[in-house]
Amino acid sequence: SQTIHQWPATLVQPVGSPLSLECTVEGTSNPNLYWYRQAAGRGLQLLFYSVGIGQISSEVPQNLSASRPQDRQFILSSKKLLLSDSGFYLCAWSVLVDRGSSPLHFGNGTRLTVT
Amino acid sequence: AQSVAQPEDQVNVAEGNPLTVKCTYSVSGNPYLFWYVQYPNRGLQFLLKYITGDNLVKGSYGFEAEFNKSQTSFHLKKPSALVSDSALYFCAVRDLNAGNNRKLIWGLGTSLAVNP
Repeated sequence: SQTIHQWPATLVQPVGSPLSLECTVEGTSNPNLYWYRQAAGRGLQLLFYSVGIGQISSEVPQNLSASRPQDRQFILSSKKLLLSDSGFYLCAWSVLVDRGSSPLHFGNGTRLTVT
Repeated sequence: AQSVAQPEDQVNVAEGNPLTVKCTYSVSGNPYLFWYVQYPNRGLQFLLKYITGDNLVKGSYGFEAEFNKSQTSFHLKKPSALVSDSALYFCAVRDLNAGNNRKLIWGLGTSLAVNP
């Protein structure tokens, strides 16, 4: 069966420090991969998605970047964190080849607090 | 414009009573519709989806949802609520006529509280 791992679960970082959040998927090949941010426990904002190694689409211009160095690895990074980067970050995957009927499968998230 | 509305920020029901969490959508073409649940400090879990076929869709944990094309609604229901159903529920839609069908349009979520 497929599983998705996200770490760390919580992170407290000072303003101006770098960030690296990692997500890996097991049990499937060539997944679509996504990074979402959830602010204040509510609305989901799509940050990045990827359909293959090295292929990243950015939905919102911001202080963050994403990379996909391997098929089932997705990394969210920042060179210098801002206070506004605080939030709950969720990684997700879905089947690549479909017409959009495949649901997303989410990791357990990383709660980032920038101080 | 594509959109999803969950008109209730919070729904309160007594344990054992039926529950409904509402969702309406606006897309230009045929929709794929999804419901997800989120427990505190966890990721979202997929509950059920409507793609085509029967308007009544059954999903995980005894939940079901009814697709109503004329009312552009996809309300989530459960005949008998449990305290453990207390969570945040999200409705999402994909517009098949949109160029990028990888992008889901999300509602803002409805917090369900089931009281013992």
